[in-house]
Amino acid sequence: NAGVTQTPKFQVLKTGQSMTLQCAQDMNHNSMYWYRQDPGMGLRLIYYSASEGTTDKGEVPNGYNVSRLNKREFSLRLESAAPSQTSVYFCASSADWSTEAFFGQGTRLTVV
Amino acid sequence: GNSVTQMEGPVTLSEEAFLTINCTYTATGYPSLFWYVQYPGEGLQLLLKATKADDKGSNKGFEATYRKETTSFHLEKGSVQVSDSAVYFCALSDRYSGAGSYQLTFGKGTKLSVIP
Repeated sequence: NAGVTQTPKFQVLKTGQSMTLQCAQDMNHNSMYWYRQDPGMGLRLIYYSASEGTTDKGEVPNGYNVSRLNKREFSLRLESAAPSQTSVYFCASSADWSTEAFFGQGTRLTVV
Repeated sequence: GNSVTQMEGPVTLSEEAFLTINCTYTATGYPSLFWYVQYPGEGLQLLLKATKADDKGSNKGFEATYRKETTSFHLEKGSVQVSDSAVYFCALSDRYSGAGSYQLTFGKGTKLSVIP
C-alpha cells in the first residue's frame, strides 16, 4: 500500500522554467491538497480539490496551477518559476473533511 | 476564516520531562481537530485526533482533549523521550469552507528537542 506518492523528490530549476509536480494516491480518497512548507511559516495551502472535478484556491495560489486529472491524481504546475517558490512541497489526501490527511514524502524544490 | 494558533518554539526538554504544546483555534463550524508530527526529512503523519467536543485523542503516550468552550486542543505527554524530537503541528478540518476558510488548516508548528 503506497499511500501518497509524489514525484520528483528533489528538483532544481532556473528562474523562468516550468515544471509539474505529480501526486497520486491509492486510497480512493475524495480530497487532495497541495501545501508548501517554509521555515517559520508552517504549512500553507496552495490549492485543494474537495472531490474529483473541483479545485479551489488556498492561501497562497499565485504562481501555481493545478489539475485534478482523476480521482487518484492531483498535479501542481509552476508556469514560470521564481526564487520565492523555493520550498518543500507536500501533497496530501483525505477521505473527507473530517478524516485524517495522509501526506507524501515531499518535493524539495530550489529555484536559482 | 478558520485559523490555528500554536505556541512558538523551539521547545527543549530533558528526557522524562512533562510536555505541553498549546493550540487554540478559530472555526466557523464544528471542526475535527488533529495533531500531526513531522520527523526530519519526512512528511507529516497523524499523531492523534478528536472529532467532537470533549473527545480525547491519544496515541503513543500523547493526549489532547477537544475543548469547545476554550477553543483549545493542547497536546500533552507525561514523560518525553529522545525519540519524540520532531515538529508538531496542530490542525483543524472544517466542512464549512467559505471565503477565506479551507478544509484543512495547520498551525505553524512547534519544534521539540528532547535531550538525554
